[in-house]
Amino acid sequence: DQQVKQNSPSLSVQEGRISILNCDYTNSMFDYFLWYKKYPAEGPTFLISISSIKDKNEDGRFTVFLNKSAKHLSLHIVPSQPGDSAVYFCAASASKSATNKLIFGTGTLLAVQP
Amino acid sequence: NAGVMQNPRHLVRRRGQEARLRCSPMKGHSHVYWYRQLPEEGLKFMVYLQKENIIDESGMPKERFSAEFPKEGPSILRIQQVVRGDSAAYFCASSPIPRDLVRNYGYTFGSGTRLTVV
Repeated sequence: DQQVKQNSPSLSVQEGRISILNCDYTNSMFDYFLWYKKYPAEGPTFLISISSIKDKNEDGRFTVFLNKSAKHLSLHIVPSQPGDSAVYFCAASASKSATNKLIFGTGTLLAVQP
Repeated sequence: NAGVMQNPRHLVRRRGQEARLRCSPMKGHSHVYWYRQLPEEGLKFMVYLQKENIIDESGMPKERFSAEFPKEGPSILRIQQVVRGDSAAYFCASSPIPRDLVRNYGYTFGSGTRLTVV
């Protein structure tokens, strides 16, 4: 049962344009969401997070939007740069759970073309 | 201030052998999580440990896999009698105690151990 879904396995964007990565979740108990970035042969690194009390969180070129009613979140990267080319994972957590376990999506490979 | 250290980076085992993967969490972190990434798949939770305690092992296969985080030393993920399907990247992550820090900043991941079973 995939509780966090990233339906686009890959995305290609021109440098300078906007990249939009999408994520859907099914578990209504999730109330914290995180995006991680992963380069080949490295571990994932934290990028940005959002809690369910917000609908938007911004950090520089990265903005995450949350639509609770649709159980959907998206990561916007503007402007996209070649160094942003990586796999992006969406992850979710439930604050009422006994652990801080993060449930990850399957990832979206972003390729930013120069 | 070293990050999460995993070793070895690459491990090759023949079918039927044992694999031991080690993880030293970041300084000041007492929680360790193990995730597995199979080829072409996302990160799957395996187990969550605190010092000397397994908190959540709901993602661990029922047989051949075990994990520990002793009072002294690194966390160990042990796979007995490896099979080809165990070939994957195994990532360890650590976090500090305050839950609000984890929710806002996530875990810190190591670079992973790539296990190849031949």
